[in-house]
Amino acid sequence: GAVVSQHPSWVICKSGTSVKIECRSLDFQATTMFWYRQFPKQSLMLMATSNEGSKATYEQGVEKDKFLINHASLTLSTLTVTSAHPEDSSFYICSARPAGQVNQPQHFGDGTRLSIL
Amino acid sequence: GNSVTQMEGPVTLSEEAFLTINCTYTATGYPSLFWYVQYPGEGLQLLLKATKADDKGSNKGFEATYRKETTSFHLEKGSVQVSDSAVYFCALSDSKGGSGGFKTIFGAGTRLFVKA
Repeated sequence: GAVVSQHPSWVICKSGTSVKIECRSLDFQATTMFWYRQFPKQSLMLMATSNEGSKATYEQGVEKDKFLINHASLTLSTLTVTSAHPEDSSFYICSARPAGQVNQPQHFGDGTRLSIL
Repeated sequence: GNSVTQMEGPVTLSEEAFLTINCTYTATGYPSLFWYVQYPGEGLQLLLKATKADDKGSNKGFEATYRKETTSFHLEKGSVQVSDSAVYFCALSDSKGGSGGFKTIFGAGTRLFVKA
């Protein structure tokens, strides 16, 4: 089945560091990928929709300059948390849907746990 | 706007008990409905789906029926196992997803604990 790989799975870094998270669709092309944030024991909050070859669409309240998204190819989207601070610590999950299957389920990566000291 | 409401957890059951996790939705049009499962420290996995009214999705002993008249998609399993302990998310595919096309709206999640 469709596989989404997310890397790294765990990051611990100092405050002020920028952190890049990669999301790859391994066996399908994805014109659209999604980035979510999940706080402990809470649901997923959609941060932004990543569109291949164009700008990402951010949800209300999500800082574009803080969370940079690049979708450079049909199989790769990256989320960069710039100048990360402790309040950015969270579980970040990406997902992707095969191109052309707009009403089908998304396939999720295993998530990246980000801890900012 | 579209939304998903599911029963609050945690739900604690003994092994082999019957499971129901309620889910209702609000949507215009005809969304697809999904149940996802999240095991500790992992991402989400699709458990089952239904794309139109009266469809029944099933997988690994779990099932849910798309009920348009009651706008519900309750998750059931006849006999739970300890390995079913996880968080379960009800979700719908929103056709008003802007430039991203169809985006998924998730319920708050229901944590299930199954005791041996």
